[in-house]
Amino acid sequence: AQTVTQSQPEMSVQEAETVTLSCTYDTSENNYYLFWYKQPPSRQMILVIRQEAYKQQNATENRFSVNFQKAAKSFSLKISDSQLGDTAMYFCAFTSVDNYGQNFVFGPGTRLSVLP
Amino acid sequence: ETGVTQTPRHLVMGMTNKKSLKCEQHLGHNAMYWYKQSAKKPLELMFVYNFKEQTENNSVPSRFSPECPNSSHLFLHLHTLQPEDSALYLCATRTLGGDEKLFFGSGTQLSVL
Repeated sequence: AQTVTQSQPEMSVQEAETVTLSCTYDTSENNYYLFWYKQPPSRQMILVIRQEAYKQQNATENRFSVNFQKAAKSFSLKISDSQLGDTAMYFCAFTSVDNYGQNFVFGPGTRLSVLP
Repeated sequence: ETGVTQTPRHLVMGMTNKKSLKCEQHLGHNAMYWYKQSAKKPLELMFVYNFKEQTENNSVPSRFSPECPNSSHLFLHLHTLQPEDSALYLCATRTLGGDEKLFFGSGTQLSVL
């Protein structure tokens, strides 16, 4: 069974600074996707960024980028130029391609506070 | 507006009540999910429907009963719940064989008294 671990329950960062959220996962699959979702106080989960395991190049979306280390099974999220609107819970998630993505497995989340 | 709408947004019910949660999607997706989000715990998958057929029941107690009458609607019928069932219930959708990502609603915050 796949598991996703986020070792930082809470983090804070000053506005305009850079912060990195950690995620590790465990799987025997070779073909899968990794995600970072953001859940602001409005409760809606919003996709921040996605990485396909077969791609070596790290995904980037504007101020968000990942450091994907497949051998180490590590998938960290870097937020540059942090903004107050980035305050939210951040969830790392995994889905296997081989089972048609039936189950998206989520980590326990990291609560990020961006301080003015 | 995300295309996945959940109602009600909040629900308080007694242990003997019967209620239903509703999820409606306008994205043309063919797979729908129910997740349970409890405080300080990872999201727990409850049910998956592909093309209106239930393909996953993650050992969920029978007091939770899902229904998917068509590809746009998903319900979660609740009866004789326990206080530990209090949680945020999230609906998510995706397209099978398409873009591998879930789209979520804003959830129903359920309190069982």
